Amino acid sequence: DIQMTQSPSTLSASIGDRVTITCRASQNIGSWLAWYQQKPGKAPKFLIYKASSLDNGVPSRFSGSGSGTEFTLTISSLQPDDFATYYCQHYDSYPYTFGQGTTLEIK
Amino acid sequence: QVQLLQSGVEVKRPGTSVKVSCKASGYTFRDYEISWVRQAPGQGLEWLGWISGFSGNTNYAQRVQGRFFVTTDISTTTAYMELRGLTSDDTAVYYCARTRDGVHNFWGQGTLVIVSS
Repeated sequence: DIQMTQSPSTLSASIGDRVTITCRASQNIGSWLAWYQQKPGKAPKFLIYKASSLDNGVPSRFSGSGSGTEFTLTISSLQPDDFATYYCQHYDSYPYTFGQGTTLEIK
Repeated sequence: QVQLLQSGVEVKRPGTSVKVSCKASGYTFRDYEISWVRQAPGQGLEWLGWISGFSGNTNYAQRVQGRFFVTTDISTTTAYMELRGLTSDDTAVYYCARTRDGVHNFWGQGTLVIVSS
């Protein structure tokens, strides 16, 4: 199985900050990577597919990049609604696996 | 609008089975797969498997293979997951998600399954 490792596990930041979350795959997954946002007690919300393509309606302050084994999710200017847990997920081959999550906290 | 409405909380004894439903609406059911993902308390997301809304083909994670089954009823646009031989490790929130090409682009609200003696 392909292992997905996110860093950091927790990130403290302030409104207006630029933040970056990293996701590493244990083998080459091309660009077959998605990002999701989850708030406490809620279902995950789809943000990005194919490493860098934003879903409809996702604010442009979110961006994704990378290919192969290293990927990043960047939020250019943090807003109050962005404090949540973020997960990456590969869909290169079965089983699809998620990273362990990165919790973005208010500093 | 797209909706995936899941059935309610389940409390089960170890060794028994649970069946959770996921009623889809607001899109063409046959055009997407339905995936199932679970989240144990305080933990991350675990992909369990999917079923094609068109062909009924399935794919399961090895960890639950033989215990986990997904079906659909196209006439009611409802997907079902059944997990057998429950243990306390199966206590989790189970999500269905509309999926295309591996991407889970819309999620149900989740169903809490508690396994306890």
